Amino acid sequence: SAVISQKPSRDICQRGTSLTIQCQVDSQVTMMFWYRQQPGQSLTLIATANQGSEATYESGFVIDKFPISRPNLTFSTLTVSNMSPEDSSIYLCSAWDPDTQYFGPGTRLTVL
Amino acid sequence: DAKTTQPNSMESNEEEPVHLPCNHSTISGTDYIHWYRQLPSQGPEYVIHGLTSNVNNRMASLAIAEDRKSSTLILHRATLRDAAVYYCILRLYNQGGKLIFGQGTELSVKP
Repeated sequence: SAVISQKPSRDICQRGTSLTIQCQVDSQVTMMFWYRQQPGQSLTLIATANQGSEATYESGFVIDKFPISRPNLTFSTLTVSNMSPEDSSIYLCSAWDPDTQYFGPGTRLTVL
Repeated sequence: DAKTTQPNSMESNEEEPVHLPCNHSTISGTDYIHWYRQLPSQGPEYVIHGLTSNVNNRMASLAIAEDRKSSTLILHRATLRDAAVYYCILRLYNQGGKLIFGQGTELSVKP
């Protein structure tokens, strides 16, 4: 089973700044995903990140706000740009390996 | 997106079986049924998945209706550590690996 780690585990940021979240998988995976979980809510899929291609964003999420990189088969980053308090959430990455989706522990972001 | 319907919350007593229902009336023949759970302050954790036949693993059993329009996750003996939000999710064959989470069922376990 894949083990997924994320950095940072939590951060407090000022509005208008950007934060990059890193996601590391301990094995090579084809598909990686980024989710957002707002307080008390379920998970919402932000985008799918496949190595070697541009990320595919879900409705309501755009690349300018949430740029994603996927430089290799074990790593991805999500940037939350020009943050506002509404971006305060837990951000989680996940990956399939091979028929089970594994999730990272999440990054808890607070925007002041 | 194919939708699942689950009760918002359920209660169980410790060491008793728990049956968590899920309706998915729009499921197609190639969509897998996945169950995940999320313990407080953790990322979701895989529980079990199936296509047509009932499935068992060390964590739980999955009973799938013959018409596949509903399924039930069975925890054979609930423990306090099973208190979590349980998500029933369809993995859509034509949408690759996307998992679209619903609101889930919050399970509380009483000692």
